Amino acid sequence: EVQLVESGGGLVQPGGSLRLSCAASGFTFSDHYMDWVRQAPGKGLEWVGRTRNKGNSHTTEYAASVKGRFTISRDDSKSSLYLQMNSLKTEDTAVYYCTRGGLGSYIEYWGQGTLVTVSS
Amino acid sequence: QSALTQPASVSGSPGQSITISCTGTSSDVGGYDYVSWYQQLPEKAPKLMIYDVTNRPSGVSNRFSGSKSGNTASLTISGLQAEDDADYYCSSYTSSRTLVFGGGTKLTVL
Repeated sequence: EVQLVESGGGLVQPGGSLRLSCAASGFTFSDHYMDWVRQAPGKGLEWVGRTRNKGNSHTTEYAASVKGRFTISRDDSKSSLYLQMNSLKTEDTAVYYCTRGGLGSYIEYWGQGTLVTVSS
Repeated sequence: QSALTQPASVSGSPGQSITISCTGTSSDVGGYDYVSWYQQLPEKAPKLMIYDVTNRPSGVSNRFSGSKSGNTASLTISGLQAEDDADYYCSSYTSSRTLVFGGGTKLTVL
């Protein structure tokens, strides 16, 4: 059974940093694209970014809204995905979902999410 | 990359069929057969319902179907049931090698 468990969410001040982690199990982590998707309170889904699989050299892509501030990384030896968030803004407040991509064109599995609140 | 356009809400009675549209551009929906649909129940994580325009993952009811014409994709739910009451989001792969979501549609089963 595929399981994705996020951690690291919490309250942070504007301009601050936070690192989210995602522990994956139930599949061969290195074979898969992994994405982060977020959802602001009461709002819709927003794709944040992705890291491709080992066969695609772990290359990354980002949404324009986070490019230059957020960094996605992975450790295949630990089946773990990370999201380093810097220069946080109030509009980054959201539930952040760790997800497994399906061949790069869709999101196949979702974690339960972790809430990040950016507020003074 | 602008969000894909979906109607804010749709409704239908049990047993009826409804269709939710998802409009993009030639750089996303119209350019690739990579449209997917997600169902989100209240306080739950989204669930994949349709991928690559028309394909259903194992375990998803065949009452759910997808299609595409030009820059607009559609999700059709036939034989509406109370359990279908949820938010639905479309998504597409884009020419920038990213994904983009629609704004979401709230389906109310009357």
